[in-house]
Parts: sequence; C-alpha cells; structure tokens
Amino acid sequence: DIQMTQSPSSLSASVGDRVTIACRASQSVRNYLNWYQQKPGKAPKLLIYAASKLQTGVPSRFSGSDSETNYTLTISGLQPEDFATYFCQQSYHTPWTFGQGTRVDIK
Amino acid sequence: QVQLVQSGAEVKKPGASVQVSCRASGYSFSSYVIHWVRQAPGQGLEWMGRIHAGTSNTKYSEQFQGRITFTRDTSASTVYMELSSLRSEDTSIYYCARDTYDDLDFWGQGTLVTVSS
Repeated sequence: DIQMTQSPSSLSASVGDRVTIACRASQSVRNYLNWYQQKPGKAPKLLIYAASKLQTGVPSRFSGSDSETNYTLTISGLQPEDFATYFCQQSYHTPWTFGQGTRVDIK
Repeated sequence: QVQLVQSGAEVKKPGASVQVSCRASGYSFSSYVIHWVRQAPGQGLEWMGRIHAGTSNTKYSEQFQGRITFTRDTSASTVYMELSSLRSEDTSIYYCARDTYDDLDFWGQGTLVTVSS
C-alpha cells in the first residue's frame, strides 16, 4: 500500500496568515493526489484534485503544488471558515490511501 | 444538484451485519463510481472500496475482503454497503462518495455505525 505522510499534524495560525501543509507519498503517485477539508461533524469536502486543480466553487486562496512524491496545500490568507482538518489522498493505486490529517486551529 | 443521502444510524451487536444505503440524485447514476470510506471516532479516513453503479463492478480493500459487499439498485439510484462479522473496531462513520476524476467530489452525510454488546 502507498503510505501518505502529512506534516505537520497540527498547526496554529491567525486570520490572514499563509499556511502550507505538506504531504509525502511512499512512492510516486503521478499527481493522482487530492486534498480535502473536513469540519467537525461534517463529511470531507474536495478542495484540490490532480495535485493542483481547484475544485469548482473553492476559493482561489487554496492552491496545490505538484510533484512525484512531495505535495503541498497552501492557503494564502487564512479565513475564519478555514479552521478545519485537511487530508491528502492518493488515487494512483488501490487501496486509495489518505494522510493522517493536519488540524488547523486558531492561534 | 448532486446529492448523496445515506440511511440512518445503526447500533449492532458484535458478530452481526449492517447494511448502509446511499441514494443518489441530481446526476446520471449509472455513469459514475461510488466509493465507501469510513472514519473511526476522532481518527483519519479509511478507504473501503468502490462499485461502478452502471456495471456493478466492485473493488474491495483487502482489509475487508470476505466481510464486505457492495451492491446497487439502478431503479432506485441507490448503492448499498454490507459489512458482516462486526466487531467493536468497526464502530465508525461510514461515508459514500462519488468518483469523478479519481477524486471524491460529492459525499453523503455519513452514517454512524456503533458496534456494542
């Protein structure tokens, strides 16, 4: 199975900050890499697909970078509604696997 | 608009089976794959497998082989997930989600399955 490792596991930030979350795959996933946001008690929401493509309706402050095994999610100008947990996920090989999550909370 | 609506919460005893349904609307049901993902309380996300709603072709995570079955009813635009031989570690929220470009773009609201004696 492909292992997905996110860092950090949590971070504290202020409104307006630039936040970067990293995701490393144990082997190449050829940009079959997606990012999700999850708020407490809610289902995950797709933010970025294919490493860097913005899902329809998602604010442009969210962006993703593409690579073979190292990926990042960047939030440029954190908003109050962005405090949540973020997961990366690879869809290159089954079983699809997720990172363990990065919790973003208010400093 | 695209919607996936799941059945309600379940409480089951160890060794029992549970079936969770996922009713789709707002798109061509048979043209898409539906995945199942679960999340234990306070934990991360775990992929369980997928079913093509048109062909009924399935792929299961090896972790659940022999215990899990996906089916679909095209007349009802509904996909079903059945998990058998339940144990306490299966206590989780179970989600269905639609696959568009090898991603999960729409999710059901989740179904809590509690396994307890």
